[in-house]
Amino acid sequence: TQLLEQSPQFLSIQEGENLTVYCNSSSVFSSLQWYRQEPGEGPVLLVTVVTGGEVKKLKRLTFQFGDARKDSSLHITAAQPGDTGLYLCAGASNTGKLIFGQGTTLQVKP
Amino acid sequence: DTAVSQTPKYLVTQMGNDKSIKCEQNLGHDTMYWYKQDSKKFLKIMFSYNNKELIINETVPNRFSPKSPDKAHLNLHINSLELGDSAVYFCASSAKGGNSPLHFGNGTRLTVT
Repeated sequence: TQLLEQSPQFLSIQEGENLTVYCNSSSVFSSLQWYRQEPGEGPVLLVTVVTGGEVKKLKRLTFQFGDARKDSSLHITAAQPGDTGLYLCAGASNTGKLIFGQGTTLQVKP
Repeated sequence: DTAVSQTPKYLVTQMGNDKSIKCEQNLGHDTMYWYKQDSKKFLKIMFSYNNKELIINETVPNRFSPKSPDKAHLNLHINSLELGDSAVYFCASSAKGGNSPLHFGNGTRLTVT
């Protein structure tokens, strides 16, 4: 069974700080997606990374896919209160299903 | 225009009742899903339909029965509700199925008392 471990589970920081969220597995995924979910809403896709070693940037968010395609990270620079939410990674499994991590709840205090 | 819409937003009911959640997508996608998000925010797939045909059926009690009248709709009917069914249920769609990115609805919070 392919599993994705996300860390940390909870993160509370001050506005302006940097942070990194990790998504790790012992399995290889063909691609990996990152979503953000705000309270009362469904997850919204942020980015998909496909190639080992790939780095994608979305404004202050930097996503990286590990060289072996077993892990990924999300780095946020100068976090803002609007970044508050639940961040979910999801790996494309060999069974044709997306495997979700447990999520990282981020709170950015003004 | 809402891409994936599900109703109702909140559902409070007693144990033993039967309830339905409706979902519609206007994205023209072929594949639709039901996911369950538990109190720890873990998202787990329940069902997947591609063009009205059942593709994925996870280990879900047979009290849960999805129905897809056409590829734009996927409804979820739940019989004999139990306390453990309390969760947020998300409908989603994707263009190609498999590992394609998902477009989620805003969820239905089901509370069974």
